[in-house]
Amino acid sequence: NAGVMQNPRHLVRRRGQEARLRCSPMKGHSHVYWYRQLPEEGLKFMVYLQKENIIDESGMPKERFSAEFPKEGPSILRIQQVVRGDSAAYFCASSPTGSGEQYFGPGTRLTVT
Amino acid sequence: GQQVMQIPQYQHVQEGEDFTTYCNSSTTLSNIQWYKQRPGGHPVFLIQLVKSGEVKKQKRLTFQFGEAKKNSSLHITATQTTDVGTYFCADAGGTSYGKLTFGQGTILTVHP
Repeated sequence: NAGVMQNPRHLVRRRGQEARLRCSPMKGHSHVYWYRQLPEEGLKFMVYLQKENIIDESGMPKERFSAEFPKEGPSILRIQQVVRGDSAAYFCASSPTGSGEQYFGPGTRLTVT
Repeated sequence: GQQVMQIPQYQHVQEGEDFTTYCNSSTTLSNIQWYKQRPGGHPVFLIQLVKSGEVKKQKRLTFQFGEAKKNSSLHITATQTTDVGTYFCADAGGTSYGKLTFGQGTILTVHP
């Protein structure tokens, strides 16, 4: 059973460009979470999604950030008009239910130049 | 909102020494999870504690949940170089079911 997949693993964008981060949860998992981690800091919750629904987006910045988890295909975290402060590691996690252990993907390291 | 404080931020030990990291909250925690993140890696689940006063062991690792469910600790006996990494506690309850609120983490360095 493959683990959580994220791509790309590394992404470089210039200020003002768009970044699209993809996450494929583990097989059979319908709950997806996105977290952001700045260097030597803890992980900050961004958004919790189930198939076609956003359950909790309380950690998402109000502007430029959006997330989706369509019926088919991976979950997408989209950052429009990136700024240097968006540089971070973005981790996706999945779980079979809405509680208990979360399985993390390898992360996408976003660098904004 | 819910905040989880974790200390110390850094810990350097000699191989064979013990290590403890502490997690504290000003409010009652629903349940707490512990994760380990190796340098350059991703968080990996270690354990979940649910009951007041609960103690769980995994080989050299001992996890405790306080009686008031406001604190937790992870103790490693006789550290090894493979224990290197950042250890995070996370509140797995809070106001939003499923959302994890992480502590800042303790970065453990083990000198051979």
